[in-house]
Amino acid sequence: DSGVTQTPKHLITATGQRVTLRCSPRSGDLSVYWYQQSLDQGLQFLIQYYNGEERAKGNILERFSAQQFPDLHSELNLSSLELGDSALYFCASSVVGSIGANVLTFGAGSRLTVL
Amino acid sequence: KNEVEQSPQNLTAQEGEFITINCSYSVGISALHWLQQHPGGGIVSLFMLSSGKKKHGRLIATINIQEKHSSLHITASHPRDSAVYICAVSAGSYQLTFGKGTKLSVIP
Repeated sequence: DSGVTQTPKHLITATGQRVTLRCSPRSGDLSVYWYQQSLDQGLQFLIQYYNGEERAKGNILERFSAQQFPDLHSELNLSSLELGDSALYFCASSVVGSIGANVLTFGAGSRLTVL
Repeated sequence: KNEVEQSPQNLTAQEGEFITINCSYSVGISALHWLQQHPGGGIVSLFMLSSGKKKHGRLIATINIQEKHSSLHITASHPRDSAVYICAVSAGSYQLTFGKGTKLSVIP
């Protein structure tokens, strides 16, 4: 157990639907990062939050949004789902906001299947 | 944008062999990460380095900043080392750019 908790582990839904993925960071970590891993694109950075504030944005679609709550857990909302959104979604956490200075701790991932 | 290339893409080794996985990147970085992803999907961070060499058990990671190259070595490989090894770099920003990974299979 890495200390980063992601739920749900697996999710199957239909095109056009909306889902929410949840991440609780390791105790003491203030930064949360979201990544998408698909078969054709590999791992891609989506978005980062640090202590409740958005810190950096990567290749995140407009249909996707995220937030970090006062208790530091984070949610990634995916809406108007398409078949191509099927992927593994990973959350990672680190102590501070600069990824260059920190080892990341990853969650086990949420596998999303869009039918 | 940083381009991260890993080689080889696939690697099969006999148990006990010394293994090297290479990673090259195109622009200067602040840190390089080696990650391990097991067949179940979970990702573990193995090393973060910005210079020199780090060792943890049978794993050694080196980086040459001038040549923009890093290597991950596994000594006395074991079937439990079978996984995908991913190189990722950050260049002063908050996001990582990932290589496509090297799939390692260690045969008993």
